[in-house]
Amino acid sequence: GDSVTQMEGPVTLSEEAFLTINCTYTATGYPSLFWYVQYPGEGLQLLLKATKADDKGSNKGFEATYRKETTSFHLEKGSVQVSDSAVYFCALDIIQGAQKLVFGQGTRLTINP
Amino acid sequence: DTEVTQTPKHLVMGMTNKKSLKCEQHMGHRAMYWYKQKAKKPPELMFVYSYEKLSINESVPSRFSPECPNSSLLNLHLHALQPEDSALYLCASSQVQQQIQETQYFGPGTRLLVL
Repeated sequence: GDSVTQMEGPVTLSEEAFLTINCTYTATGYPSLFWYVQYPGEGLQLLLKATKADDKGSNKGFEATYRKETTSFHLEKGSVQVSDSAVYFCALDIIQGAQKLVFGQGTRLTINP
Repeated sequence: DTEVTQTPKHLVMGMTNKKSLKCEQHMGHRAMYWYKQKAKKPPELMFVYSYEKLSINESVPSRFSPECPNSSLLNLHLHALQPEDSALYLCASSQVQQQIQETQYFGPGTRLLVL
C-alpha cells in the first residue's frame, strides 16, 4: 500500500545550521506530496506542497522538490532559527472516493540558540 | 481566511459521559475530516465527509459517532470512551475535486482526556 518514510529523529541543530529532513514514499499513481509542521500544543499547518514530478514547493525559507525517480521529497532549509523547532510530517495523498492523507512518522526538530 | 476552528480546546470526561467535539470552517470546503493523534505519533484518519455525506469510516469503534449537519460544521459525538481514547482530535477541511489533489487545512485540535 501507499506509505511515507521519514528519517528518524529527534534532530538537534544549532541556529543558522543547514537542515535536511529526508522523506521517501511508496505510491501507486501520482500523489501530491506535502510537508506539514506541528508546533508544540498546536494542530498541523501546511508548510509546502508539490503536485507533480520536479515541482518545488517553498515557504518560509523551506524547500522540497518532488523527485519521481528517487521517490523522495526531502525538506531543506539553509539557515534554521530557534522558532523552527517543531515536529515535521511528510505526507502524500491518495484518492479513494475522497482524499486521504498518508503521513510519515514525523521528525522532531530542536534548534538551539 | 484559511481557518478551521475547534471547540473545546481541552476536554476531560469519564467513561460513562457523553460529550461532543465541534469543528467549523467558512472556506466553502465540502470535504471535512476527523483525525486522532496520539502523543509522538502522526495523525490517523477516522472519518471523511464529502458533501455532508460520510464517505470514509476507517473502522472506527461505534463509541465515536460523527455528524455533519451542514457544509460548515462537523461534530464528533463521544460515548462510553476508554482511557486509551485519550488523544488530540484534529479536524480538517478541503475542497472536493475528483482526481485533483486539494490541500487539507487543519484546526488546532481538541485535547481529550478520558478518566
